[in-house]
Amino acid sequence: DQQVKQNSPSLSVQEGRISILNCDYTNSMFDYFLWYKKYPAEGPTFLISISSIKDKNEDGRFTVFLNKSAKHLSLHIVPSQPGDSAVYFCAASYPEGAQKLVFGQGTRLTINP
Amino acid sequence: ETGVTQTPRHLVMGMTNKKSLKCEQHLGHNAMYWYKQSAKKPLELMFVYNFKEQTENNSVPSRFSPECPNSSHLFLHLHTLQPEDSALYLCASSQDPLIAGEGSQYFGPGTRLTVT
Repeated sequence: DQQVKQNSPSLSVQEGRISILNCDYTNSMFDYFLWYKKYPAEGPTFLISISSIKDKNEDGRFTVFLNKSAKHLSLHIVPSQPGDSAVYFCAASYPEGAQKLVFGQGTRLTINP
Repeated sequence: ETGVTQTPRHLVMGMTNKKSLKCEQHLGHNAMYWYKQSAKKPLELMFVYNFKEQTENNSVPSRFSPECPNSSHLFLHLHTLQPEDSALYLCASSQDPLIAGEGSQYFGPGTRLTVT
């Protein structure tokens, strides 16, 4: 049973607009959430994270929102740029340590000029 | 070299072959990981090593055998694999203990494995 789900396999957004990527989880024990970005032929790179004690974390154009009651998090990218075209993975970890990450299946984001 | 490197980048092997994947990290980290990513499936954690000691084996079949001779190097020895083992194998490293908010795990580019 998949504990972290990204239900949209792909998303297409116009350059300059907002991109919103969604992630749902089922395990209420998760206490830390991360977003990774992956370009073709490269490994995933860390983008932004959020602790379960917060509901928002912002870093430049990237903002992650966490809704614990809905077990839902989202990544907002604004404004979207062509270089943001990549696969985005949501991941979650347990309180005993962030070494055991549980990943979603990824969403392919395409930014159109 | 910087970051996390993996060799080879591509590997084709028969079911009776024995091969090894290599990972090296140049970040001074103490923990290393093997992940498997099959087509259209999430990354699956396979093994975790902390200070050269295996601390996690996520029910991985014995045809996959990890080795961590030191904190900078990690190997995955492969033998008698099945076609369903074809996947992207990713190595990662991190500080130990992993401090929340410190950027988590750093990944290598992966080895694309095809078992024929």
